Amino acid sequence: DAGITQSPRHKVTETGTPVTLRCHQTENHRYMYWYRQDPGHGLRLIHYSYGVKDTDKGEVSDGYSVSRSKTEDFLLTLESATSSQTSVYFCAISELRMGTGGFGGTEAFFGQGTRLTVV
Amino acid sequence: AQSVAQPEDQVNVAEGNPLTVKCTYSVSGNPYLFWYVQYPNRGLQFLLKYITGDNLVKGSYGFEAEFNKSQTSFHLKKPSALVSDSALYFCAVRGFTGGGNKLTFGTGTQLKVEL
Repeated sequence: DAGITQSPRHKVTETGTPVTLRCHQTENHRYMYWYRQDPGHGLRLIHYSYGVKDTDKGEVSDGYSVSRSKTEDFLLTLESATSSQTSVYFCAISELRMGTGGFGGTEAFFGQGTRLTVV
Repeated sequence: AQSVAQPEDQVNVAEGNPLTVKCTYSVSGNPYLFWYVQYPNRGLQFLLKYITGDNLVKGSYGFEAEFNKSQTSFHLKKPSALVSDSALYFCAVRGFTGGGNKLTFGTGTQLKVEL
């Protein structure tokens, strides 16, 4: 398995509290992603990073912020948790390598997920 | 904006029969396409990818996928299904925007293989 560790694996928190999820990689991959998985919606991209201090929004970024101060760590923060943010959160990493067809062909590797419940 | 559609929430197939899980996509430029599988309470595992070249791509566990540019499809197939193939399958497309690249997933298809 690729070296990706998510912490915590499970968390229950109260509405209105800030929450930070951590993704740590040992692969030195450039790209890191945060997704949330909900029934009927599949995986939806929250934020992603294409380098240290370089981040961009995904399709469901409202209420979330991210930081990447070093290559190996990508933090996801829920500023003020709401019940709608109850979900399973996955971190993923990928790299781009030049090959036939140009960049873009490498697959992403996923962490084991964090189950977050907001009560 | 890039997108992926998996039109079937669930596919049921008998063990030993061929299976197909459908995926269509929309992306600017050349498509980079992926299939992933998820077992209960686990993360996603990579199955196969299309970058360029042959339209039929072979991957892990006997799975293959057929890329069809004119139909913008990338259907996952397996000649003979196993009960152990029962899982949630996701199709994904990679596109390039700004300084990074986004990996967009479909909503997933639950595959159920029965004896």
